[in-house]
Amino acid sequence: DAGVIQSPRHEVTEMGQEVTLRCKPISGHNSLFWYRQTMMRGLELLIYFNNNVPIDDSGMPEDRFSAKMPNASFSTLKIQPSEPRDSAVYFCASRPGTGDEQYFGPGTRLTVT
Amino acid sequence: SQQGEEDPQALSIQEGENATMNCSYKTSINNLQWYRQNSGRGLVHLILIRSNEREKHSGRLRVTLDTSKKSSSLLITASRAADTASYFCATDHSGGYQKVTFGIGTKLQVIP
Repeated sequence: DAGVIQSPRHEVTEMGQEVTLRCKPISGHNSLFWYRQTMMRGLELLIYFNNNVPIDDSGMPEDRFSAKMPNASFSTLKIQPSEPRDSAVYFCASRPGTGDEQYFGPGTRLTVT
Repeated sequence: SQQGEEDPQALSIQEGENATMNCSYKTSINNLQWYRQNSGRGLVHLILIRSNEREKHSGRLRVTLDTSKKSSSLLITASRAADTASYFCATDHSGGYQKVTFGIGTKLQVIP
């Protein structure tokens, strides 16, 4: 298996633009997580899906952030409009089942100028 | 606030020495996991210890869990320069849905 795939790997955009990050989890995994990592805040859980259903989105910073999982093999994290403080590395992770370890993607480094 | 908190936040040792990192948490857990992150990369799972286990080994890694003190430790024996990375603990909480929470990490530097 190729592991968790994220795209793009790097994104540079201007403030106010819409940003869409994509994730393909490992086939057969039923949980998917989106995280944001910054020097100041460390690794923050943004949203958690189980069987394509959002279970916990309490970590989504504000309404500018939205996430979808239309099927078991694809998820998106959208920021609209983007702001400089959204600059971070965004990770997607998937998990085979509850109580198992998570498998992380390589991350998307987002820079908002 | 983060559930798991690693201690120390930074650790610098000589190659060949042992490195010990600690993790404390606040609420009941189903399991605790340790991950490693090399600079610029995603996290990689190292080892998982369940709440009914007290110690687990994997190669040069040894993990202990004390549920009465709500703490865990990760020991890396005979460290190598390649062990230089950040190490995170993650707690899989009991009750409700199993939310996994990561700590802020320990940055380990192994000097050749």
